[in-house]
Amino acid sequence: GNSVTQMEGPVTLSEEAFLTINCTYTATGYPSLFWYVQYPGEGLQLLLKATKADDKGSNKGFEATYRKETTSFHLEKGSVQVSDSAVYFCALSSAGNNRKLIWGLGTSLAVNP
Amino acid sequence: GAVVSQHPSWVICKSGTSVKIECRSLDFQATTMFWYRQFPKQSLMLMATSNEGSKATYEQGVEKDKFLINHASLTLSTLTVTSAHPEDSSFYICSATPDRIAGDSNEQYFGPGTRLTVT
Repeated sequence: GNSVTQMEGPVTLSEEAFLTINCTYTATGYPSLFWYVQYPGEGLQLLLKATKADDKGSNKGFEATYRKETTSFHLEKGSVQVSDSAVYFCALSSAGNNRKLIWGLGTSLAVNP
Repeated sequence: GAVVSQHPSWVICKSGTSVKIECRSLDFQATTMFWYRQFPKQSLMLMATSNEGSKATYEQGVEKDKFLINHASLTLSTLTVTSAHPEDSSFYICSATPDRIAGDSNEQYFGPGTRLTVT
């Protein structure tokens, strides 16, 4: 079945450091891929998405490229800020109309000043 | 656009009572909504898919008689936790996909969540 594997946290970085959070997936067909973010005390927000191979999703300085050959969708940011401290979730949605999201376990990021 | 609200944001109830949580899509119609449960420092667990005008589809292991879902309109789904017990204490989150962007994207918009504490 479909699944998402995310690197375990917590991840602790200093401000302006480079961030990578790995995400790989297993799916039949051509899923859409998402990164969601949950800031402390807030609800989940869509950070970025990609719907087909080689698409790059980007938002707020974060990027992720849909790599079908490696079944990956790693999240990157060149220079993190304290305000990026949050939990990041990788997710996929299979092609079709059932609209279910399959979730990774989440990666907690703490950025220190 | 694409805002989802939940009410209440938190609730404390006594063991044995029932609690209703509302999920509303404020500026779009959603034939399908989802209910999740999130435990501290863990990922989201999909409980059920709520379908407007029909019965909800529950995930394996979720008791449908305990977690009653009603999706009476294209903008409102409710989750009722019946005969609540302390182990039902959790963070409940709903999400919805606007019908207007239905398709392979399947992007979901999330409510802010409801913290339920059963004493």
